[in-house]
Amino acid sequence: AQTVTQSQPEMSVQEAETVTLSCTYDTSESDYYLFWYKQPPSRQMILVIRQEAYKQQNATENRFSVNFQKAAKSFSLKISDSQLGDAAMYFCAYRSEGTGNQFYFGTGTSLTVIP
Amino acid sequence: DGGITQSPKYLFRKEGQNVTLSCEQNLNHDAMYWYRQDPGQGLRLIYYSQIVNDFQKGDIAEGYSVSREKKESFPLTVTSAQKNPTAFYLCASSYLRDRVNQPQHFGDGTRLSIL
Repeated sequence: AQTVTQSQPEMSVQEAETVTLSCTYDTSESDYYLFWYKQPPSRQMILVIRQEAYKQQNATENRFSVNFQKAAKSFSLKISDSQLGDAAMYFCAYRSEGTGNQFYFGTGTSLTVIP
Repeated sequence: DGGITQSPKYLFRKEGQNVTLSCEQNLNHDAMYWYRQDPGQGLRLIYYSQIVNDFQKGDIAEGYSVSREKKESFPLTVTSAQKNPTAFYLCASSYLRDRVNQPQHFGDGTRLSIL
C-alpha cells in the first residue's frame, strides 16, 4: 500500500497571511496523481486542487497553489491571503495506475484561521 | 446536477441491531467506496467496488457488509458484529483506470451513533 504522510496535525494562520501545509508520499511509480481535499466543520469533502506527476508546472487555483517536488516526493499546499472560511481539515491524497481504483489519504492537518 | 446522495444524515443503532446506510450516485462512475472517519482522524477504507456484483475489502471491513446490485447504488450494512460503530461514514465514487487523473467525489456523510 502507498503511504501518504501529513506531519502537521494542526496549523494556525493569521487572517490575510500565507500558510503552507506539508504532504509527503512514498511510491516507486513515475506516473501518479495527487489531490488536496478540504473538510470544513460541515464534514463535506471538497476538492481543492490536483496535480499530475508528469507535469512540471505547479497547479494553482485562485489563492491555493502547490509546491510539487517529484524527486523529494513532496506535495505541499500553499494558501495565500487566508480567510476565515479556509478553517478546515485538509487531506492530501494519492492515486496511480498501480493502485487501481484506490485513493490513499494522509491523516489530515487541522487549519485554524485567527481573525 | 450530478452528485452522490447519502441517507440518512443521522442514524442511531441499538445494541445487536444491523443498520444500512444508503449511497446513490448519478455521476456514471464505475467505482464506489465507503470510508469511516472517527473524530479528528483521517479516512479509513471499509469496502470498495469497481463493478456491479463485485467488491473488495478495505482496511477495516470486519463487522461491515456491502452489495453492488446496481451501478448507481452501494449500500453499507453495519452489523451487530461491529462493536464500535459510532463514527462518521463517507461514501465516494470515481472513474476507473482510464480516467485515473479524476478525483473522488464524496457524499455529505452519515453520522452513526449507538443508543
